Amino acid sequence: GENVEQHPSTLSVQEGDSAVIKCTYSDSASNYFPWYKQELGKGPQLIIDIRSNVGEKKDQRIAVTLNKTAKHFSLHITETQPEDSAVYFCAASSAGGTSYGKLTFGQGTILTVHP
Amino acid sequence: NAGVMQNPRHLVRRRGQEARLRCSPMKGHSHVYWYRQLPEEGLKFMVYLQKENIIDESGMPKERFSAEFPKEGPSILRIQQVVRGDSAAYFCASSPTTELKLAFFGQGTRLTVV
Repeated sequence: GENVEQHPSTLSVQEGDSAVIKCTYSDSASNYFPWYKQELGKGPQLIIDIRSNVGEKKDQRIAVTLNKTAKHFSLHITETQPEDSAVYFCAASSAGGTSYGKLTFGQGTILTVHP
Repeated sequence: NAGVMQNPRHLVRRRGQEARLRCSPMKGHSHVYWYRQLPEEGLKFMVYLQKENIIDESGMPKERFSAEFPKEGPSILRIQQVVRGDSAAYFCASSPTTELKLAFFGQGTRLTVV
């Protein structure tokens, strides 16, 4: 089955700095890679995703890159703000089209943004 | 449109008791996923259900765990004879289709076994 490794486990940055979180996956059939933000006491919330036919995707201060050959993908947050502080999870799935897929999650990264 | 509702939010059970976790999907959502999150770990897939059918239960322990999603009412995750190792946060997600991008997670039920 799929295995997703996520690094670092904790990340501390100053407000305004950039933050990068990296994940690797094992199953070459995986083709969908979402990122979730989980705030304390809440469920994961999808913040951005990328499919394997795309190398990079950007949404305001958040971007995700994918390297299919190396089987790794990364989350980039620019101009970090204290409200970005949360746990971030990467995930992978082999879902495609109308086929359902289940998510395999990384271990999570605790991001702390200091004012 | 209310989000995915899970209850209770917190559940304390003694070893050997039964735990029932409820998940009411968003309106119009007929697909439900259950995930378990152990302390300081990522979420692990347990089971995927569509209305009245279990589609994939490959992540569910073979014993003591069961899930259902009846025609009427919420999806239920049932854990019989709970043990300390069952202590975790249990999240459900619902979706209107098989498209994962459209799935929303509930706030979870935190089960503590004492």
